[in-house]
Amino acid sequence: QVQLVQSGAEVKKPGSSVKVSCKASGDTFRSYSISWVRQAPGEGLEWMGGIIPALRSAKYAQKFQDRVTITADDSTATVYMELSSLTSEDTATYFCARVRGDSAAPERTYCSPTACPGRFDLWGQGSLVTVSS
Amino acid sequence: DIQMTQSPSTLSASVGDRVTITCRVSQNVHTWLAWYQQKPGKAPKLLIYDASTLESGVPSRFSGSGSGTEFTLTIVSLQPDDFATYFCQCYQSFAYTFGQGTKVQIK
Repeated sequence: QVQLVQSGAEVKKPGSSVKVSCKASGDTFRSYSISWVRQAPGEGLEWMGGIIPALRSAKYAQKFQDRVTITADDSTATVYMELSSLTSEDTATYFCARVRGDSAAPERTYCSPTACPGRFDLWGQGSLVTVSS
Repeated sequence: DIQMTQSPSTLSASVGDRVTITCRVSQNVHTWLAWYQQKPGKAPKLLIYDASTLESGVPSRFSGSGSGTEFTLTIVSLQPDDFATYFCQCYQSFAYTFGQGTKVQIK
């Protein structure tokens, strides 16, 4: 069954770091990119960054550029997102999602699933991170 | 940076109603836009991509249209399972951006 399974909830102190995992099944790890999206309580969705595990190539949103690191472990087909220098504003649910860049549109028929930006078609269940002193 | 504005923020409707949600984008994103449904405590679910392509398994009462800077999500006959929050997202570049969401609630 194709799925993304995330690690459990965490409680962290301000100033510390958190590392959330996302284990991919099937060919998701080998053939797609994985992005991380967070959602503060009652708020919208915010893209943090993503990685193409096969290439070890990561991109980050400018807002998180200095604090986030996304990595991939081939041996366990797991993607990790580490966020440092936590504050209460980082209290949120963190989701991983598979990204599909392939398209039937004429302008993007050249796109493989990882070569172009795309839709998020498979999501993990979410990991709640609470930052509190 | 691309800005995305959804309207309305909240929508009250009844079962059977036709519902339309609009997403306006600050620059031309062609048809690189997706719509998601999210229920409380759950991950978002992809409904529509490339502005108008229905994701596999999504009921045909959902449809998307638009291109450039203005897009719409339409639910032709609202069902009890459709009360949720809906987000648009553009993917013209790898700097993904989401709309702020539209909550569809029971009238």
